[in-house]
Amino acid sequence: ETGVTQSPTHLIKTRGQQVTLRCSSQSGHNTVSWYQQALGQGPQFIFQYYREEENGRGNFPPRFSGLQFPNYSSELNVNALELDDSALYLCASSLEGTGEAFFGQGTRLTVV
Amino acid sequence: AQSVTQLDSQVPVFEEAPVELRCNYSSSVSVYLFWYVQYPNQGLQLLLKYLSGSTLVKGINGFEAEFNKSQTSFHLRKPSVHISDTAEYFCAVSGRSGTYKYIFGTGTRLKVLA
Repeated sequence: ETGVTQSPTHLIKTRGQQVTLRCSSQSGHNTVSWYQQALGQGPQFIFQYYREEENGRGNFPPRFSGLQFPNYSSELNVNALELDDSALYLCASSLEGTGEAFFGQGTRLTVV
Repeated sequence: AQSVTQLDSQVPVFEEAPVELRCNYSSSVSVYLFWYVQYPNQGLQLLLKYLSGSTLVKGINGFEAEFNKSQTSFHLRKPSVHISDTAEYFCAVSGRSGTYKYIFGTGTRLKVLA
């Protein structure tokens, strides 16, 4: 079985730009969650997608948006990037009802 | 709503000594509990989890944790640490239904000294 994969691994963007991060969930998992981990902090829940619908959202502004596709892969989009958006973005997939998530290696976003 | 407190931001310990990393949580509902390890510039690796059953949970790399419902704690222990255990450790909690979003603590940096 394949694990959770994220792309790209690193990227640098300029303030005000838009970015799209991608996640392929573990085989058979229908739920994807996204987390933001700022330097020196624990991960913070951004939102979750279940069967292509948003299924819960953390305390993040609307410029953070997402999609889940029929194959359960997912995208995180961030518009109007700010310097404070610099962080490691983690994707986690899970199977509904199991309560256990599997994390990818993350995308390191730097906003300059 | 849930919250997690990791009481120690850094824990230095000599190689082959025992270690305990503390985690307390707060929740109005029943929870699942997890410990993850993060090596520099990497994602999160699951060490162990408590979903149900025995309150003593054994994980990978010789780690174990005990769920104490009355004290709302889930402390992580290892009887003898190695240099390779140097990393950041995160405790996390999620509710047993609904979104299953994880609430993480702020992390404990374990530094194993030679």
